[in-house]
Amino acid sequence: QVQLVQSGGGVKKPGASVKVSCKTSGYTFSDYNIIWVRQAPGQGLVWMGWISGRNGNTYYTPKFQGRLTLTTDTSTSTAHMELRGLTSDDTAVYYCAKLEVVVAAADSWGQGTLVTVSS
Amino acid sequence: DIQMTQSPSSLSASVGDRVTITCRASQYVSNYLNWYQQSPGKAPKLLIYGASSLHSGVSSRFSGSGSGTDFTLTISSLQPEDSATYYCHQSYSTPDSFGQGTKVEIK
Repeated sequence: QVQLVQSGGGVKKPGASVKVSCKTSGYTFSDYNIIWVRQAPGQGLVWMGWISGRNGNTYYTPKFQGRLTLTTDTSTSTAHMELRGLTSDDTAVYYCAKLEVVVAAADSWGQGTLVTVSS
Repeated sequence: DIQMTQSPSSLSASVGDRVTITCRASQYVSNYLNWYQQSPGKAPKLLIYGASSLHSGVSSRFSGSGSGTDFTLTISSLQPEDSATYYCHQSYSTPDSFGQGTKVEIK
């Protein structure tokens, strides 16, 4: 079955960077895009951007442009999210999710990774 | 950017009740409208995609309707396990966007 298992995150100092990984299995990685979504404590879902599993093309929400980098490693079917210049506003649970092809709905999700930004 | 507005923000209903949540887009999104369920401390789960298609494995008491700018998620007979927050999501135009969520509680 399709699985997305996340790792990374943790407690970071303001100004630091964080990298979260999303290892996928159970499907052909190159056939689907991956999105990243975050959720601040007690808040709603925020769409951050997507990356193509086929060619690494990316789209970043303007809010994160310049601070966010999405990459993939097709040899391990893993997607990575790096966010730089962290502030306390970046404290959130970060999710990766696989997009289905018809209407780009997120049909399988990682378990989420908590990133806490604190001095 | 397209703004998604859900109503109500929260509701309380009894087991067996019919529950309806609405989602309105600030611009046309065709049928590129998806619904997710999120239980506390868990990742969201896809319920409905393409406005009205039931995702594999999801109970048939969930249904979706609408097109264009106005959409509805209906739970035909509320069950205790349906206590969660529900989000709509438009995937018609990047950046994608989510509604603010509707928290459903059981009386």
